[in-house]
Amino acid sequence: DQQVKQNSPSLSVQEGRISILNCDYTNSMFDYFLWYKKYPAEGPTFLISISSIKDKNEDGRFTVFLNKSAKHLSLHIVPSQPGDSAVYFCAAMRESGTSYGKLTFGQGTILTVHP
Amino acid sequence: DTGVSQDPRHKITKRGQNVTFRCDPISEHNRLYWYRQTLGQGPEFLTYFQNEAQLEKSRLLSDRFSAERPKGSFSTLEIQRTEQGDSAMYLCASSSHVAGQYFGPGTRLTVT
Repeated sequence: DQQVKQNSPSLSVQEGRISILNCDYTNSMFDYFLWYKKYPAEGPTFLISISSIKDKNEDGRFTVFLNKSAKHLSLHIVPSQPGDSAVYFCAAMRESGTSYGKLTFGQGTILTVHP
Repeated sequence: DTGVSQDPRHKITKRGQNVTFRCDPISEHNRLYWYRQTLGQGPEFLTYFQNEAQLEKSRLLSDRFSAERPKGSFSTLEIQRTEQGDSAMYLCASSSHVAGQYFGPGTRLTVT
């Protein structure tokens, strides 16, 4: 039962253009969403997050959009840089209850930014 | 503060042997999590601690797995009688609040 899905295994983008990574979830109890970036041989690094009470959160080149009715979120990176090339994971959690803080991850999307 | 550290980084063991991994969280973080990641998948939750109390265990954590966090500081994850299906990256993370669990570099386990 894959509660968080990233349906695009990979994405290739030209430097300077926009990268859009997508994520869908099925569990309506999730109310907090995060994006992580992972380089080979390293652990995931937190990028940006959004609470379900918002529909957008920006941090520099990174913006996360949340569409609760569609159970969909996306990460926009503008402008994309070659150093952004990595695996990006979408994750979801509940902010309260017994599973507080437990992250459920998608399968990841490999982003390649070409110079 | 150097972040979350894990030891060892790599472990190769023969089927049937026991292995133990260690995680040292960021010092002021009271929550510590263990995840497992296999090739092509995202990390999967195994268990987590708030201080020294183990609050939740995934059904992925069979009775061959045990985790401890004595004194609410470092944590250990032990796998007894390893099987080839245990081969994976074992990730530890810590946090003090909701956002931004900080992950360690992971321990890659290979069971031959």
